[in-house]
Amino acid sequence: AQKITQTQPGMFVQEKEAVTLDCTYDTSDQSYGLFWYKQPSSGEMIFLIYQGSYDEQNATEGRYSLNFQKARKSANLVISASQLGDSAMYFCAMWSNYQLIWGAGTKLIIKP
Amino acid sequence: DGGITQSPKYLFRKEGQNVTLSCEQNLNHDAMYWYRQDPGQGLRLIYYSQIVNDFQKGDIAEGYSVSREKKESFPLTVTSAQKNPTAFYLCASSIGLITNYGYTFGSGTRLTVV
Repeated sequence: AQKITQTQPGMFVQEKEAVTLDCTYDTSDQSYGLFWYKQPSSGEMIFLIYQGSYDEQNATEGRYSLNFQKARKSANLVISASQLGDSAMYFCAMWSNYQLIWGAGTKLIIKP
Repeated sequence: DGGITQSPKYLFRKEGQNVTLSCEQNLNHDAMYWYRQDPGQGLRLIYYSQIVNDFQKGDIAEGYSVSREKKESFPLTVTSAQKNPTAFYLCASSIGLITNYGYTFGSGTRLTVV
């Protein structure tokens, strides 16, 4: 069965430090995509970064990068130089078979 | 600016009532989705629509209904058959069902049964 696992329910990180949010996935499909979304307390979901299963290089978008290890089925999000505004819920999702499958999320709190 | 508008932001429903959540997009996206989010959980798909006048059930469609009469609009009705409707509801859209551009989400509707 297709599944996304985020093992960190919550994390505290000091401002300006880098942070890694874990995501592992399970699928038998050869073609799939992996997304990370940010959900602030206001509720909207904000698209951060995408990695396709056939992409050979790790995706990067500004301070966000995705550490894609296909053999281990992991797609961890790395945020460099964290900021107070990064405090939010973060969700990993996998696109496969015409739908997105979501992890339970990680609550990230950045300490000043 | 293009985006998705969900209304209302907060909705209170009495037991046995049907309520309709609005979702409108001006992104010219073909595909639209409704998700339910419960505390501490990820999103679960209720319904999705690839084109006008066509929609498919997601994982938790029981107790919900949708329509897609216009490309821009995808309203969700929470019927009295939904036994536990209190949740946060998110509407999303994408260029197509197959996309690496992600989904664009609305700001959500928080539904509470009183």
